[in-house]
Amino acid sequence: EAQVTQNPRYLITVTGKKLTVTCSQNMNHEYMSWYRQDPGLGLRQIYYSMNVEVTDKGDVPEGYKVSRKEKRNFPLILESPSPNQTSLYFCASSLGDGTDTQYFGPGTRLTVL
Amino acid sequence: GQSLEQPSEVTAVEGAIVQINCTYQTSGFYGLSWYQQHDGGAPTFLSYNALDGLEETGRFSSFLSRSDSYGYLLLQELQMKDSASYFCAVRDYQRSGGSYIPTFGRGTSLIVHP
Repeated sequence: EAQVTQNPRYLITVTGKKLTVTCSQNMNHEYMSWYRQDPGLGLRQIYYSMNVEVTDKGDVPEGYKVSRKEKRNFPLILESPSPNQTSLYFCASSLGDGTDTQYFGPGTRLTVL
Repeated sequence: GQSLEQPSEVTAVEGAIVQINCTYQTSGFYGLSWYQQHDGGAPTFLSYNALDGLEETGRFSSFLSRSDSYGYLLLQELQMKDSASYFCAVRDYQRSGGSYIPTFGRGTSLIVHP
């Protein structure tokens, strides 16, 4: 089954404790991205990757890091989480074929205390 | 930069037709997409318009007017399960090297009443 998976789905952590949210897709997509979703603000892109070893900042990259060592994986790293990073996070992938069809993971609900 | 405007909430009754509008301001416009998101779930792709006109997919249709920087999503024969948030998104060529950064609107909450 074609899908995007994220782990963990729920996470409660404390300020400053490094964490990684994993994202994996099995569709051989080149384009992957991370979004955060906050009430009333819609989806805002954090980082995206056009291919292996190619990453770039989205609209809200501060406080986040990513890596793309393999085509299927695109982890999101919070080196020192802060309460304002409490949010719902989505990973997405797409072929980049011009139709803008993005496939989203199930989401990770993060709470930073 | 770019911005999108869509209504925050729309209500309708089962069986009715509803239209969700989206206006955008952007440079290097490539296309307009629509996504559906049920409460707590992942957004799912509905449609994409790159050219002017109406695209129909079952009960859902999407329209684009590039000259007016405007599009809409039309939902017909509304069902209770259509209650969800609907997001428009523009695909905008922002950086060299073929990088496309989609920008999403803030979403429209559609409430379908029996």
